Amino acid sequence: GENVEQHPSTLSVQEGDSAVIKCTYSDSASNYFPWYKQELGKRPQLIIDIRSNVGEKKDQRIAVTLNKTAKHFSLHITETQPEDSAVYFCAASMGDDMRFGAGTRLTVKP
Amino acid sequence: EAGVTQSPTHLIKTRGQQATLRCSPISGHTSVYWYQQALGLGLQFLLWYDEGEERNRGNFPPRFSGRQFPNYSSELNVNALELEDSALYLCASSSTGDTQYFGPGTRLTVL
Repeated sequence: GENVEQHPSTLSVQEGDSAVIKCTYSDSASNYFPWYKQELGKRPQLIIDIRSNVGEKKDQRIAVTLNKTAKHFSLHITETQPEDSAVYFCAASMGDDMRFGAGTRLTVKP
Repeated sequence: EAGVTQSPTHLIKTRGQQATLRCSPISGHTSVYWYQQALGLGLQFLLWYDEGEERNRGNFPPRFSGRQFPNYSSELNVNALELEDSALYLCASSSTGDTQYFGPGTRLTVL
């Protein structure tokens, strides 16, 4: 089955800096890669996703890149703000079988 | 459009008891997933139901079980509760092969 590894487990940045979270996956058949943000005490919320026929996708300050050959994808947050502080999860799926990374706790210091 | 709902919000049980958690998916979604999230940790996959059938289960003992009803809502049952079962249990729903949307979770505390 699919195995997703996520790094780093914790990340602390200064407000205004960029943050990058990286994930690798094992099953080359995976074709859908969502990212979720989970604020303290709340449910995970989808923030951006990418499909295997696209190499990069951007939504305001958030972007995701996918390298199918290397089987890794990354989340990039620019101009970080304190409200970006949360746990971020990557995931990889083929059809309905989705596997999540272990999560990255991002702290943005004002 | 209503989101995924879960009940109850909180549940307190004692060791050895049984817990039943419920989930209603987004209208039109046929797949329901259950995850366990222990404090500060990641999402551990428990069970996946689709069209009333169990499609896959994670690395959990058989005392974790569930079912999906004809209206696609789902129940998670945990028998013989242990202290380490204390966690947030999240339900998610999706259309076939698409994004999973999460419910607010049920916080289970085992005393």
